[in-house]
Amino acid sequence: EIVMTQTPLSLSVTPGQPASMSCKSSHSLLHSDGKTYLHWYLQKAGQSPQVLIYEVSSRVSGVPDRISGSGSGTDFTLKISRVEAEDVGVYYCMQGLHHRTFGPGTKVDLK
Amino acid sequence: EVQLVESGGGLVQPGGSLRLSCAASGFTFSSYWMDWVRQTPGKGLECVAIINQDGSEKYYADSVKGRFTISRDNTKNSLYLQLNGLRADDTAVYFCARDVRWGYFDYWGQGTGVTVSS
Repeated sequence: EIVMTQTPLSLSVTPGQPASMSCKSSHSLLHSDGKTYLHWYLQKAGQSPQVLIYEVSSRVSGVPDRISGSGSGTDFTLKISRVEAEDVGVYYCMQGLHHRTFGPGTKVDLK
Repeated sequence: EVQLVESGGGLVQPGGSLRLSCAASGFTFSSYWMDWVRQTPGKGLECVAIINQDGSEKYYADSVKGRFTISRDNTKNSLYLQLNGLRADDTAVYFCARDVRWGYFDYWGQGTGVTVSS
């Protein structure tokens, strides 16, 4: 089983300031097809999760470009260049290489 | 508009059974893998079952293997999850999700709650 870890588990950010969170997997998420199956989801209060980033760095349509994903192998990062109120929620990374495993989430709120 | 609507959740006694349904609309259901994901306060998000387009491939989390069965009916645009041998730790909100590829879930349902308690 691939285990996903995320740090920090909680992040309190001043609006307009940047935020960064880390996701690590216990095994490389690089597939033989050359793609890396690591995705990022955001769950806002009372809502279902929604995808933000797929395959490490591909932003889903409608996601602002101040949100970006990077990384490779086992280490990944999600960055928000300027946090806004709409960014509040829990961010989950998820690997899709072997079955599907979510990280524990990073809860982001505003100072 | 793509829609996924779950139903079938409820209160059930330990050892009991439930059948969850997910009604899909707004897309060609038979073209997509589909997944069931559950969320508990204690264990967060867990993908419990995955099924391919024609139902010939199914994968389960170890925590539910042998107790849960995923299936689909492409003629009815519907996904199912049969839950047997339910335990208290199966208490969760269960979501269905459209799996574009390798865990890229582009649409989720609103979830249906399952409570296992005597």
